[in-house]
Amino acid sequence: QKEVEQDPGPLSVPEGAIVSLNCTYSNSAFQYFMWYRQYSRKGPELLMYTYSSGNKEDGRFTAQVDKSSKYISLFIRDSQPSDSATYLCAMSAEYRDDKIIFGKGTRLHILP
Amino acid sequence: NAGVTQTPKFQVLKTGQSMTLQCAQDMNHEYMSWYRQDPGMGLRLIHYSVGAGITDQGEVPNGYNVSRSTTEDFPLRLLSAAPSQTSVYFCASSRLQGRGNTIYFGEGSWLTVV
Repeated sequence: QKEVEQDPGPLSVPEGAIVSLNCTYSNSAFQYFMWYRQYSRKGPELLMYTYSSGNKEDGRFTAQVDKSSKYISLFIRDSQPSDSATYLCAMSAEYRDDKIIFGKGTRLHILP
Repeated sequence: NAGVTQTPKFQVLKTGQSMTLQCAQDMNHEYMSWYRQDPGMGLRLIHYSVGAGITDQGEVPNGYNVSRSTTEDFPLRLLSAAPSQTSVYFCASSRLQGRGNTIYFGEGSWLTVV
């Protein structure tokens, strides 16, 4: 079993819908959780960061961590065509960038 | 504010050739790293550095060399290019101390080895 699993998609949803993106993981020591957004032919950019369990909200984005299920989610409300991108989950057990494990990314298409 | 700048953007190499991917950051970040991104494989760490004069290997270091003579620059050298090194390469930087594990990525370098 890979440490971090993420459905590659693509996921296509109509504009205005709520999008749910998910990752599962196997290492119970992970405690730092991140979501990166990557537009086509660009580098990833940090979207959300969560430490340990719980929810974090930033505008239309909500990150959720369920450590008991080893499951993290990113919700996008009122999705826009500009949200079309690849979303990478990432996580680590230590506060060290060289220990971050990235998911393979989910391609998201928001249909106008 | 330029952030992380990578050059070249695109490069085609012949097998056995060597080349250097350049990376510079203007945020005075201590930590710099190189990743490669391949379809179905995600981002994988090649080498990283926590400061000038200090480098270490990541998950997939074979075939690559790095050096860090200044805080700003972190070049990646391909010693003898192989088709398996065809990939998209991302340089990244971040602060060692601070909240959020915020890694700033460059825009990528597309490398094809024929």
